[in-house]
Amino acid sequence: DVKVTQSSRYLVKRTGEKVFLECVQDMDHENMFWYRQDPGLGLRLIYFSYDVKMKEKGDIPEGYSVSREKKERFSLILESASTNQTSMYLCASTLGGEAFFGQGTRLTVV
Amino acid sequence: GQSLEQPSEVTAVEGAIVQINCTYQTSGFYGLSWYQQHDGGAPTFLSYNGLDGLEETGRFSSFLSRSDSYGYLLLQELQMKDSASYFCAVPGRSQGNLIFGKGTKLSVKP
Repeated sequence: DVKVTQSSRYLVKRTGEKVFLECVQDMDHENMFWYRQDPGLGLRLIYFSYDVKMKEKGDIPEGYSVSREKKERFSLILESASTNQTSMYLCASTLGGEAFFGQGTRLTVV
Repeated sequence: GQSLEQPSEVTAVEGAIVQINCTYQTSGFYGLSWYQQHDGGAPTFLSYNGLDGLEETGRFSSFLSRSDSYGYLLLQELQMKDSASYFCAVPGRSQGNLIFGKGTKLSVKP
């Protein structure tokens, strides 16, 4: 069974902290993605990666960075967390037209 | 740019049929897919249409008309467990990327 695992289900961080969200997939997929989901706005793409050490900005990359040192792991980094980054963060990998999502990390920045 | 439009909410009764529409604007087209997301859960893949016509998977069907830039998801014999948000998605301009609509919240009433 395919699996995308996010390191935390819930996180609470303070404003200004550096935050790491980790995602691991066991399907050997090349493409991995980070989305954030907010009510009424759907899923918005932050960054994606189509190969190790490769990354591309999505629609809302400001305030975020990513790291992909190994094929199976894609990390999202909030350099200095702010309250407007409170959201649900979803990691996904894709094969063809199908995306497989992790369970999501609900991040609250206080 | 790329955009998808779908209704924000739909309500139907148990046992009925409901259709969720999606219109899209893309530069290049590589197929339309549908995802289901229950409250608190991750999106899960439902169907993919690469060519015009109807694809059927049990109680769910998906339709695509490329000439009209339009597709729909048809849910038959509605059950309470079908209450969820449904997203249409198209591949973006970069390889493997997926752009999502804002989602349609389906409420199934007894």
